[in-house]
Amino acid sequence: GIQVEQSPPDLILQEGANSTLRCNFSDSVNNLQWFHQNPWGQLINLFYIPSGTKQNGRLSATTVATERYSLLYISSSQTTDSGVYFCAVTGSSNTGKLIFGQGTTLQVKP
Amino acid sequence: DAGVIQSPRHEVTEMGQEVTLRCKPISGHNSLFWYRQTMMRGLELLIYFNNNVPIDDSGMPEDRFSAKMPNASFSTLKIQPSEPRDSAVYFCASSAGTSKAHVTQYFGPGTRLTVL
Repeated sequence: GIQVEQSPPDLILQEGANSTLRCNFSDSVNNLQWFHQNPWGQLINLFYIPSGTKQNGRLSATTVATERYSLLYISSSQTTDSGVYFCAVTGSSNTGKLIFGQGTTLQVKP
Repeated sequence: DAGVIQSPRHEVTEMGQEVTLRCKPISGHNSLFWYRQTMMRGLELLIYFNNNVPIDDSGMPEDRFSAKMPNASFSTLKIQPSEPRDSAVYFCASSAGTSKAHVTQYFGPGTRLTVL
């Protein structure tokens, strides 16, 4: 089945810094979503982005489907950005289930 | 507009007991998913319904697990009998997609299950 790899596994930033999270996937995809799991465990949708670029405030994401990767950019990080960021994909031959990466754990220090 | 609703939010039970988790998807969504999150295995799909019909149950770990969707607004995930290794956070998600058209999945707050 499709494999999803995220990097880096852990990231520590000072408040105000920028960061880039990467998601590589092993096959073509129909769906790619980025989630933020906050310290209370809630999974929050950030982007639905099987291809192209989107921006939402300080966050933006780019997926290059032909090269099988996606990037999540966080600018001017805040302590509330802390948590785990997951990339999840649905393969083109899949029925719809999301395959999750192992996540990037981000800690933003004040 | 209400999101995906799950109950209970926390469940503590003893080994051998039956556990029932409940989910109400977002109104109008026709796809419903049950996922499980553990430290060892991360987030993984257990079962997926489209128009109340199970489409993919390949992730259901064993016969102790069963899921139903009697109507478009309600689903249950049952574990009988429960075991300590079933301890995890169980998420329900819904989407307006189909098995052919994939769109954003929205996740509920999860049920944290602890089996002693």
